[in-house]
Amino acid sequence: DADVTQTPRNRITKTGKRIMLECSQTKGHDRMYWYRQDPGLGLRLIYYSFDVKDINKGEISDGYSVSRQAQAKFSLSLESAIPNQTALYFCATSDAGPYGYTFGSGTRLTVV
Amino acid sequence: KNEVEQSPQNLTAQEGEFITINCSYSVGISALHWLQQHPGGGIVSLFMLSSGKKKHGRLIATINIQEKHSSLHITASHPRDSAVYICAIYTQETSGSRLTFGEGTQLTVNP
Repeated sequence: DADVTQTPRNRITKTGKRIMLECSQTKGHDRMYWYRQDPGLGLRLIYYSFDVKDINKGEISDGYSVSRQAQAKFSLSLESAIPNQTALYFCATSDAGPYGYTFGSGTRLTVV
Repeated sequence: KNEVEQSPQNLTAQEGEFITINCSYSVGISALHWLQQHPGGGIVSLFMLSSGKKKHGRLIATINIQEKHSSLHITASHPRDSAVYICAIYTQETSGSRLTFGEGTQLTVNP
């Protein structure tokens, strides 16, 4: 099993629908992140969590929400999806400090 | 201006060639990561550097903290090296630590 598992791998949804992307990890890391990748841009941080009771907005959090259900689970929700949220979404985990970043395989989301 | 600039954006090489991808950044950092993203989309960490040089197989990463520059070298390139290579800097600020990514370098190695 992968250390960081994202589900679904691919999703097509309609404008206005609510969608949840899920991330689970077996690394035992306290820190979890959601990033978004668009063509021609670097990964951008949506939300991050340093432990179960700690949730922080990243640089592009508008239109998104998250839930840290347990140390191992961190979900990203789009309350009302819009086409410009079409992107590749990555979950990542890390130790404290610059070491040990592990990325999931990504979720390709298309909003039509 | 992005805090992290990679060059080139695209690189095509013939199998066996020596490849260099460059990363320049504009702020003080605690560490720098090189990541690899294959066509399937998954991202794998290749190196984490805070100084000097690291080598893993045919991959070599160097960093010059004073010049705010890092390079990723691939010796004896192979078609399976075809991927996007991403540089990311780790910074610590009063608001907390963060990873900032370059746009990536698309490498294609032809047989």
